[in-house]
Amino acid sequence: GAVVSQHPSRVICKSGTSVKIECRSLDFQATTMFWYRQFPKKSLMLMATSNEGSKATYEQGVEKDKFLINHASLTLSTLTVTSAHPEDSSFYICSASRGANTGELFFGEGSRLTVL
Amino acid sequence: GENVEQHPSTLSVQEGDSAVIKCTYSDSASNYFPWYKQELGKRPQLIIDIRSNVGEKKDQRIAVTLNKTAKHFSLHITETQPEDSAVYFCAASIGQAGTALIFGKGTTLSVSS
Repeated sequence: GAVVSQHPSRVICKSGTSVKIECRSLDFQATTMFWYRQFPKKSLMLMATSNEGSKATYEQGVEKDKFLINHASLTLSTLTVTSAHPEDSSFYICSASRGANTGELFFGEGSRLTVL
Repeated sequence: GENVEQHPSTLSVQEGDSAVIKCTYSDSASNYFPWYKQELGKRPQLIIDIRSNVGEKKDQRIAVTLNKTAKHFSLHITETQPEDSAVYFCAASIGQAGTALIFGKGTTLSVSS
């Protein structure tokens, strides 16, 4: 099966700092990756679609200047939470698709961000 | 855009009973409908999926049905076991399969022995 790895799994930072989360497809090339955020006991909310070599597409209500997404290669997408605040504390999960019409998305392990 | 509604939000059953979770979606262009099981603090795990050209799919104790006309799909778990206890999410693709998924709000299933 396809493997998606996410790093770090847990991060604690001070308010006002920036945090970078990496999402890698280990055994396949992912032209498209998706970033989700999940608050405790809530569902996965799509934040943005990351396209290799082009700008990410953000969902309504997600600030693109706060959540910087870079998809510089076919196996790596990064999410940077800039000037993090306590309300940004959440579980961030990436997922990757093998391509259109393939169906299944493969999820990373998730990254638990806690902003103090 | 796509909207996915999921019911019930919580479901408690006795071991051996069946459990049914239902979802509706709004975008008629959606053609891929997966179901995920998520344990606390872990990534979602795909348990079964169905495409719009199929009405029903079964994998051992788990089955999914799809009514594309009515825009609803359901998860059926038979002979439930305590290890089936988890949060279950339905999802629908935004348009064609391979695009982003929109998730339902989840159902917390508790199976008591």
